[in-house]
Amino acid sequence: GEDVEQSLFLSVREGDSSVINCTYTDSSSTYLYWYKQEPGAGLQLLTYIFSNMDMKQDQRLTVLLNKKDKHLSLRIADTQTGDSAIYFCAEWGAGGGNKLTFGTGTQLKVEL
Amino acid sequence: EADIYQTPRYLVIGTGKKITLECSQTMGHDKMYWYQQDPGMELHLIHYSYGVNSTEKGDLSSESTVSRIRTEHFPLTLESARPSHTSQYLCASSGRPGVNEQFFGPGTRLTVL
Repeated sequence: GEDVEQSLFLSVREGDSSVINCTYTDSSSTYLYWYKQEPGAGLQLLTYIFSNMDMKQDQRLTVLLNKKDKHLSLRIADTQTGDSAIYFCAEWGAGGGNKLTFGTGTQLKVEL
Repeated sequence: EADIYQTPRYLVIGTGKKITLECSQTMGHDKMYWYQQDPGMELHLIHYSYGVNSTEKGDLSSESTVSRIRTEHFPLTLESARPSHTSQYLCASSGRPGVNEQFFGPGTRLTVL
């Protein structure tokens, strides 16, 4: 497909794990990213993964990459209320272009 | 982490006014970008620059214009604002070849009445 696709909404309980999924467009994209956007703010880079990696872990965040299926996921362990935000995945280099292509965004709501 | 600033944070103006949204970064990044974010959350690239005196249009057609006279400064101008320009405008910069991670400013929320 032409779009980087994400589920619109995810709700989890505090303390549970959250998994946000993304399907990107081009298996030749070199880097894939996860950004977080809180209300009224810009995007904050959370982590990125190079396309020749399968997994990257950074504290509570785990990124999994399935290049064959063009599937990227972000797992947040021990989800906290402060994790409530919109999460965007992005790919660099889709179609040979030198640009970032963003996903549609997933709104994560963490409930007590 | 890059320091990137946008002013104003919020702007409410009438139709037909000329406006300039400011974006500055202090990290010496060569590449800078403007995105428009609609209420449905998607980001659309409207302008980018790879260095001084270099500007290009992005994927989404926009009536705005940009300039890049100094490395640290990438202002966006609307000559005659219309209600259809109401949106969130996000500026970003990047400076690391290969990884190309972009750092974002806080955004300007523009409302045109």
